Amino acid sequence: DQQVKQNSPSLSVQEGRISILNCDYTNSMFDYFLWYKKYPAEGPTFLISISSIKDKNEDGRFTVFLNKSAKHLSLHIVPSQPGDSAVYFCAASENQGAQKLVFGQGTRLTINP
Amino acid sequence: DAGITQSPRHKVTETGTPVTLRCHQTENHRYMYWYRQDPGHGLRLIHYSYGVKDTDKGEVSDGYSVSRSKTEDFLLTLESATSSQTSVYFCAISERNEQFFGPGTRLTVL
Repeated sequence: DQQVKQNSPSLSVQEGRISILNCDYTNSMFDYFLWYKKYPAEGPTFLISISSIKDKNEDGRFTVFLNKSAKHLSLHIVPSQPGDSAVYFCAASENQGAQKLVFGQGTRLTINP
Repeated sequence: DAGITQSPRHKVTETGTPVTLRCHQTENHRYMYWYRQDPGHGLRLIHYSYGVKDTDKGEVSDGYSVSRSKTEDFLLTLESATSSQTSVYFCAISERNEQFFGPGTRLTVL
């Protein structure tokens, strides 16, 4: 029973274009959402987060959108750069903070020159 | 970098042997976590700790135990390793609204 789902295992985008990574969740008690980026042989690194009281959060090239009614969030990266090639995980929690995260399966993003 | 180290970084062991993985942090964080990462599953929480001697189970705790006798160290033990426990194990700490992860331990059980 996967409470957080990333239905696209992989995504390929041209350099300079927009990358959109999607995440769906089923648990209506989730109230805090995070995106992590992971390179091979390294631990995940935090990218951006959003609380359920907001519907958008922006940090430089990264924007996360939250649609609570659809239980859906997305990460937009614009413009995409070769260094963005990595696996991206979305995660969710019930406590308005980063305790006890539930992760999605991950999406491998490849940025092509 | 939240001062998290994991040891060993790589380990190959045989089915039925006990294995202990260590997570060490240098910044006195209260919450510590152990995850495993497997293809198609993302990261799944094994156990977590909210203080010295205070631990609780996560989503996939069967076959694993943990101990936290000091704030800085969180140990994950596989009492009798099985091939299904071949995975990459990550330790994490949480600070405010983020979790920070260690570099991971790749464990292979033959």
